[in-house]
Amino acid sequence: QLQLQESGPGLVKPSETLSLNCNVSGDSISSSSHFWGWIRQPPGKGLEWIGHIFYSGSTSYNPSLKSRVTMSVDTSRNQFSLKLTSVTAADTAIYYCARVSLYYNVLTGCDYWGQGTLVTVSS
Amino acid sequence: SSELTQDPAVSVALGQTVRITCQGDSLRSYFATWYQQKSGQAPVLVFYGKNNRPSGIPDRFSGSTSGNTASLTISGAQAEDEADYYCNCRDISGNLLVFGGGTKLTVL
Repeated sequence: QLQLQESGPGLVKPSETLSLNCNVSGDSISSSSHFWGWIRQPPGKGLEWIGHIFYSGSTSYNPSLKSRVTMSVDTSRNQFSLKLTSVTAADTAIYYCARVSLYYNVLTGCDYWGQGTLVTVSS
Repeated sequence: SSELTQDPAVSVALGQTVRITCQGDSLRSYFATWYQQKSGQAPVLVFYGKNNRPSGIPDRFSGSTSGNTASLTISGAQAEDEADYYCNCRDISGNLLVFGGGTKLTVL
């Protein structure tokens, strides 16, 4: 059974960098059939797509966050990571990692999700 | 980028049928994917593509698309279906996904 687990600090100071890892078990992150994504959800609000990465390192980011986001993948550890720089209170959210699937070779959505981790931006 | 619009809230009587909609230009080109999110939990995939339900999702959940509108239909809503429902779809302008704002479903 595929499982994803986010890890990282739950509290980040304004202007600093948010860093999260997602450990994948039950599937190889080197699968050519899937991408790996990050989604966030501010408290009481809706879901926001942050971006996704392929095992080769190819990435695609939400234009609204692109200047501050970096994703990377570590195939040896079967995990992928998110960095978000210059954070503000508006970046406070539950951050989810997920496996992103294709439907007839078109990016379609997330079939497996991590449980999510709350990151609060505060001094 | 594309936008997906959902009604903020919908209600349905127990055992009745409810349709949750998602509107956006990208839906003319790509299928919607639907998620159910219960309070305090991660989203769960409930429907995707033309006619696909993941294993374990009851067959009372179905999906359809007409023009720029995708719909998730719950036939015979149960109390456990009370949740937030989100659609997502590929953005027509790039290789990324966008989410609708979500619909809060209340089962009366």
